[in-house]
Amino acid sequence: NAGVTQTPKFRILKIGQSMTLQCTQDMNHNYMYWYRQDPGMGLKLIYYSVGAGITDKGEVPNGYNVSRSTTEDFPLRLELAAPSQTSVYFCASSPTRPNYGYTFGSGTRLTVV
Amino acid sequence: AQSVTQPDIHITVSEGASLELRCNYSYGATPYLFWYVQSPGQGLQLLLKYFSGDTLVHGIKGFEAEFKRSQSSFNLRKPSVHWSDAAEYFCAVEGNNNNDMRFGAGTRLTVKP
Repeated sequence: NAGVTQTPKFRILKIGQSMTLQCTQDMNHNYMYWYRQDPGMGLKLIYYSVGAGITDKGEVPNGYNVSRSTTEDFPLRLELAAPSQTSVYFCASSPTRPNYGYTFGSGTRLTVV
Repeated sequence: AQSVTQPDIHITVSEGASLELRCNYSYGATPYLFWYVQSPGQGLQLLLKYFSGDTLVHGIKGFEAEFKRSQSSFNLRKPSVHWSDAAEYFCAVEGNNNNDMRFGAGTRLTVKP
């Protein structure tokens, strides 16, 4: 059982470039989330989805976009990379409400130079 | 929105000693409370959670936490720390009517031999 899989694990982008962070889960979870983790700041919610075709903004959505065409996949898109987006990005999923705890992926470390 | 504070950035304990990591939350009603652990280079793993009922909850790896409504706290404890417990620990709070889990800034635990 793979759980939540994130790719790539590491990436260096130049300012202004675009990229998509991939997230796939094989647990048939309805709820999926994207967080960013910055040193000393904990995790901040970027976007979340409660099911295929439904997404909503979290605490820090600016500069990002998401889509949810299937239950399994929840990609995060950066359109014009900026140094402020240098961070570690985590995807997570959960099956139901109430939330019984998230399953996290292993993260993508992104550096924008 | 709900929020969570972890007052201790870094704690060092000796192997075999007891451990208590502090967590204080802010929320108008009874929240959902969680503790996660993150090993270096890894995603977060759920240690335990509190929804309702018994205020002392037990989790994996011998950890427990106690919900104290009067103090708005959810401190994590372990009677005897092992060297493998060295990691970063995050407290998290979620409201019972939203999809926004808020994380504390984390407490890094160092275990001395």
